[in-house]
Amino acid sequence: GAVVSQHPSWVICKSGTSVKIECRSLDFQATTMFWYRQFPKQSLMLMATSNEGSKATYEQGVEKDKFLINHASLTLSTLTVTSAHPEDSSFYICSAREGASSYEQYFGPGTRLTVT
Amino acid sequence: GEDVEQSLFLSVREGDSSVINCTYTDSSSTYLYWYKQEPGAGLQLLTYIFSNMDMKQDQRLTVLLNKKDKHLSLRIADTQTGDSAIYFCAESIRGGGNKLTFGTGTQLKVEL
Repeated sequence: GAVVSQHPSWVICKSGTSVKIECRSLDFQATTMFWYRQFPKQSLMLMATSNEGSKATYEQGVEKDKFLINHASLTLSTLTVTSAHPEDSSFYICSAREGASSYEQYFGPGTRLTVT
Repeated sequence: GEDVEQSLFLSVREGDSSVINCTYTDSSSTYLYWYKQEPGAGLQLLTYIFSNMDMKQDQRLTVLLNKKDKHLSLRIADTQTGDSAIYFCAESIRGGGNKLTFGTGTQLKVEL
């Protein structure tokens, strides 16, 4: 149980275009989902926290207009990278938490984004 | 503030024990976690410890927490080649919405 999927697993897009990444909880309802980015050989940095049906809370330094997060249902959150640039190339990982008091986050397999 | 540090690299021989260390600065930590990440993959939760505990053992894994020194360690007994990966410690802060702050990661290499 507690499986989180991401789609696509990798994507290449041209500079200036937008790309959407999906994060789904397959066998549980996720009241909260988190989006992280990870640069090569570095740690995970939290970008934003999204709660179902409300606006995402972005971490300091993360542009909310560039990284659009939608958590429209209890099993799906999406991250859209708008007007992508090569410096947005990274590994994007989502995680999901089942309940408000749950201590455990379940991580997706990640999405490798390359912007050319 | 939150700052979690780990040594970058550890190399051990198969069958030996591995000890991966982590230091953190925020005394408000509630849970501390160890995650494993294999190349190109997401994170797998290995174990966690509540901040009022000193030790937790789970099969080959032993977690030690020294809250006074803000030091966390993960011991892997009988290390196998399949244990080669990057290991991240992470903390969640009381009242912080269970957001995780990750350490810098330790790459474990297991040699034959």
